[in-house]
Amino acid sequence: QVQLQESGPGLVKPSQTLSLTCNVSGASISSGGYFWSWIRQHPGKGLEWIGYSDYTGITYHNPSLRSRLSISVDMSKNQFSLNLSSVTAADTAVYYCARVSSGSYYFDHWGQGTLVTVSS
Amino acid sequence: SSELTQDPAVSVALGQTVRITCQGHSLRSYYATWYQQKPGQAPVLVMYGKNYRPSGIPDRFSGSSSGSTASLTITGAQAEDEADYHCNCRDGSGTVFGGGTKLTVL
Repeated sequence: QVQLQESGPGLVKPSQTLSLTCNVSGASISSGGYFWSWIRQHPGKGLEWIGYSDYTGITYHNPSLRSRLSISVDMSKNQFSLNLSSVTAADTAVYYCARVSSGSYYFDHWGQGTLVTVSS
Repeated sequence: SSELTQDPAVSVALGQTVRITCQGHSLRSYYATWYQQKPGQAPVLVMYGKNYRPSGIPDRFSGSSSGSTASLTITGAQAEDEADYHCNCRDGSGTVFGGGTKLTVL
């Protein structure tokens, strides 16, 4: 059974970097065939795609976040990470990690989500 | 990136049929994917591709597409179908989500 679990600080100060990790179990990131993705949801709002990476490190980013965004994959730990720099209160959201089928581009497994608040 | 537009809220009487729509230019080239999200929970995939349901999703859920509009239809809505529904589609940059539709089952 594929499971994803987000971890990281729940509170980040403005102008600092938001860093989250997604631990994957029940599947191997190195097996290919999938993208490993981050999505966020502002309070009471819809979903916003942040970006995704495959196991080789090829990444795709939301153009509106590209300048501040880094997504990386660590196959040795079977996890992938998100770094979002220069955060503001507008980055306060629930952050989800998810697996995406690279053939059909659907998000088939999601983490439970983690709330990150940007505040001093 | 492109945009997907959804009605913010839709209601349906228990046991009746409801259609939730999603509009966007990318839908002319790619199929929509649909996710159900209940309060405090992560989204769950309910429809993908031309009209495919993941294992465990009831067959009262179906999908269709015409031009730049994709639809998720629930035939015989149940109380447990009350949730937010998000459409999603590939675009030139990666992928994009609609704003979500809150479905109320009366």
